Amino acid sequence: SAVISQKPSRDICQRGTSLTIQCQVDSQVTMMFWYRQQPGQSLTLIATANQGSEATYESGFVIDKFPISRPNLTFSTLTVSNMSPEDSSIYLCSVTDGTLNQPQHFGDGTRLSIL
Amino acid sequence: QKEVEQNSGPLSVPEGAIASLNCTYSDRGSQSFFWYRQYSGKSPELIMFIYSNGDKEDGRFTAQLNKASQYVSLLIRDSQPSDSATYLCAVNPPNTGGFKTIFGAGTRLFVKA
Repeated sequence: SAVISQKPSRDICQRGTSLTIQCQVDSQVTMMFWYRQQPGQSLTLIATANQGSEATYESGFVIDKFPISRPNLTFSTLTVSNMSPEDSSIYLCSVTDGTLNQPQHFGDGTRLSIL
Repeated sequence: QKEVEQNSGPLSVPEGAIASLNCTYSDRGSQSFFWYRQYSGKSPELIMFIYSNGDKEDGRFTAQLNKASQYVSLLIRDSQPSDSATYLCAVNPPNTGGFKTIFGAGTRLFVKA
């Protein structure tokens, strides 16, 4: 399966600031997703990153708070904007090959703490 | 009703025993089912997937699917302390177009040496 690299692996940020997380894949992939995993919780899908068009956001997540870019088939970024302590979480990108009903594969995640 | 439900555990088994992890899902039209293992502080890792009713075996792992009962399970034979992790059941329901995955809350497994 694809090798997925996320940067940074962790960060500690001040409230009110923004952080951009990068996801790089070693091969072209059709579908890229961004998830949040809050402490002790399961994964919640934030959005699907679409190449060449705006991301598709899930209920409860908005573009102003979580802008996403997908400039090509191997790279995407997620920005967490105007952060508050409630944004402290692990953020994960995942990919599939775009074939129906295929499993997702995850990057190592970004552990984000907001002071 | 949650789309994917799992007992949060913890499930504790002795080393060498069979660990049985269970999952139910709500959308009867779901076609693909996955089990992920997540070690503390790590990202989820795919360990099994199953699409058809019945059993699928891979080494010490067996996934079982019963679409009529909307039930998926994962059996881990000869459990090892290194199997201690959270196991996430995941489903691709048809109302997501077959590309999105819904994850259960996970079951924590402890294998005692």
